[in-house]
Amino acid sequence: DQQVKQNSPSLSVQEGRISILNCDYTNSMFDYFLWYKKYPAEGPTFLISISSIKDKNEDGRFTVFLNKSAKHLSLHIVPSQPGDSAVYFCAAYDYGGSQGNLIFGKGTKLSVKP
Amino acid sequence: DTEVTQTPKHLVMGMTNKKSLKCEQHMGHRAMYWYKQKAKKPPELMFVYSYEKLSINESVPSRFSPECPNSSLLNLHLHALQPEDSALYLCASSQEGYSTEAFFGQGTRLTVV
Repeated sequence: DQQVKQNSPSLSVQEGRISILNCDYTNSMFDYFLWYKKYPAEGPTFLISISSIKDKNEDGRFTVFLNKSAKHLSLHIVPSQPGDSAVYFCAAYDYGGSQGNLIFGKGTKLSVKP
Repeated sequence: DTEVTQTPKHLVMGMTNKKSLKCEQHMGHRAMYWYKQKAKKPPELMFVYSYEKLSINESVPSRFSPECPNSSLLNLHLHALQPEDSALYLCASSQEGYSTEAFFGQGTRLTVV
């Protein structure tokens, strides 16, 4: 049973436009969410996070929105740049589990075309 | 220093070999993790060390043996692995507690032949 779902395996966006990556979760006990970016042959790089007490967190070109009632979060990248092309993983901390158990979605491969 | 350093970057080993993966961080983090990532799949948690004590073992086979010699180092000892254990092994660390972001190393690409 997949607790963190990224239903779009891939997304293609034109440079300068907005990229919106979506993530849904099923466990209402999740209360901290993170986005990671991963280039091939590298470890995931932390991008941005959000606590369930907020509905929005912004860091430069990256904004994460959280809709707790819908159990949905999204990552907005504005404007998108070719260097943003990577796989993006949504992750949540399993509050019901033990410390450190990050649950990852399957990832969305973003391609930003010049 | 906000880095998690993993060595080696690549490792090829036979099924009868014994090898070790190493991970180091100097951020003062008290929680360290091993993840396994197969191609086109998300990372999967293997082990968690908290304050140098093993706190989570996600039903990992005994041919993988973690060790945390001190708060900055984390090892993963490998013995009698199978070809299906070939994967990217990622180390991560976080300050403590679940509500802090984990920093990942670059990973060790392991191939078992």
